[in-house]
Amino acid sequence: DARVTQTPRHKVTEMGQEVTMRCQPILGHNTVFWYRQTMMQGLELLAYFRNRAPLDDSGMPKDRFSAEMPDATLATLKIQPSEPRDSAVYFCASGLVRTPRDGYTFGSGTRLTVV
Amino acid sequence: AQSVTQLDSQVPVFEEAPVELRCNYSSSVSVYLFWYVQYPNQGLQLLLKYLSGSTLVKGINGFEAEFNKSQTSFHLRKPSVHISDTAEYFCAVSLLSGNTPLVFGKGTRLSVIA
Repeated sequence: DARVTQTPRHKVTEMGQEVTMRCQPILGHNTVFWYRQTMMQGLELLAYFRNRAPLDDSGMPKDRFSAEMPDATLATLKIQPSEPRDSAVYFCASGLVRTPRDGYTFGSGTRLTVV
Repeated sequence: AQSVTQLDSQVPVFEEAPVELRCNYSSSVSVYLFWYVQYPNQGLQLLLKYLSGSTLVKGINGFEAEFNKSQTSFHLRKPSVHISDTAEYFCAVSLLSGNTPLVFGKGTRLSVIA
């Protein structure tokens, strides 16, 4: 089965440090999403891309978060500087815009702990 | 805009008992409806989906869901649960055009008790 691959699976970092999370979407998928999951807020959409172009990043704190797609096989989510409130599980998902009926495929997530 | 309400945040149920997880949605246009499952420390996995046609849809692991347009509901059911069904379940909607992301409910934690 095709998979969305996220690295690292776990990350513990100190407050103020830079964190970079990576996602390899399914080959051929043209839409990539970043979600954050916390106990309090549930699943929140942070940003998403279509054909590598950012379509919406209104869910991200702009001062510290940035999301990019350097190429079609890699999406990155960066936090600089990190804060304890950023502790969460970050999911990447990919899909095809022309087949929304298929839903999206999610990666296993990156569990981030900021101490 | 679309929204999804999952009416129960937690549902405990004994093994081999039936279960229903409730989901209501709001949308001014037609949507696709999905249920995803998240096992501990894993990502979300598609359980089933309603696209059109028969209002009763069957998914993996013995789950089924019924679409009710008049009540704008898409409840998930299983006639007999197993310990392995313990997980978080998310209801989601998508526009037919695919131009907007999935909108998720806040999830329902199903705990199956032996």
